[in-house]
Amino acid sequence: GESVGLHLPTLSVQEGDNSIINCAYSNSASDYFIWYKQESGKGPQFIIDIRSNMDKRQGQRVTVLLNKTVKHLSLQIAATQPGDSAVYFCAENQGGKLIFGQGTELSVKP
Amino acid sequence: EPEVTQTPSHQVTQMGQEVILRCVPISNHLYFYWYRQILGQKVEFLVSFYNNEISEKSEIFDDQFSVERPDGSNFTLKIRSTKLEDSAMYFCASSDHRQNEKLFFGSGTQLSVL
Repeated sequence: GESVGLHLPTLSVQEGDNSIINCAYSNSASDYFIWYKQESGKGPQFIIDIRSNMDKRQGQRVTVLLNKTVKHLSLQIAATQPGDSAVYFCAENQGGKLIFGQGTELSVKP
Repeated sequence: EPEVTQTPSHQVTQMGQEVILRCVPISNHLYFYWYRQILGQKVEFLVSFYNNEISEKSEIFDDQFSVERPDGSNFTLKIRSTKLEDSAMYFCASSDHRQNEKLFFGSGTQLSVL
C-alpha cells in the first residue's frame, strides 16, 4: 500500500523568544535520552543528551528537562534564532537501540 | 570537527538490483549504526555493529540486508535485491565508548528504487 507521511507537530516562534519542544516517551525503563536537530536534506545533528538519573541538563542556549513520572522530555532553546529552524527529534535508548520520536518542526520568524 | 561521511549522496537503482551504501565513521569510534528515514516519517533503526559483529538489528533488517566493515575505516550496508519500499534516506552513524549514546550521523544516502 501507499505510505502516508506523518503530519509533524509544528511550533512557530519569533526570533529572540524562547522555544519549548516537548516529547513523550514510551518506556519507563529507558535510561538515556537524546535530542537531535535535522535540517532539510541533512542527517540528524546531536544537540544534548540526558541520563535518567538526572532531571535537567544545560548546554549552550539549550536545556533538556526530564520528568520520569509522566515520561516527558522537553528541549528549551533560549533566544531562538533563524538558524534554529529545523525538525527536532527526541530519542530514547530502548532495548539496545535508539528509538526516535515523531519530530517537531520549529519555524523561527524574523 | 570530525564527521561521518557517506557516499554516494544519491543512488538510483532498478528493483531487484544490489546496492552498497558506504560510510566512513569517525576514526576513534567503536560503535556503528545504520538508520533509515522514509520521506516524511521517523528515523528508524536498522542495525548496530560492534567488534566486527552485529550487536542489534530491527525487524526491517531481514536477510536482504547485510553490513560489513571491510577495512579499518569503511562501514557498508548492502541490500541484495532492492524493493520499491526500500526507497528511503539511509543514515550511517557512529559513537565512541558507549553503545547507543551520542551518535553522530552522516548526511545520508538517498536511495531511490525504480
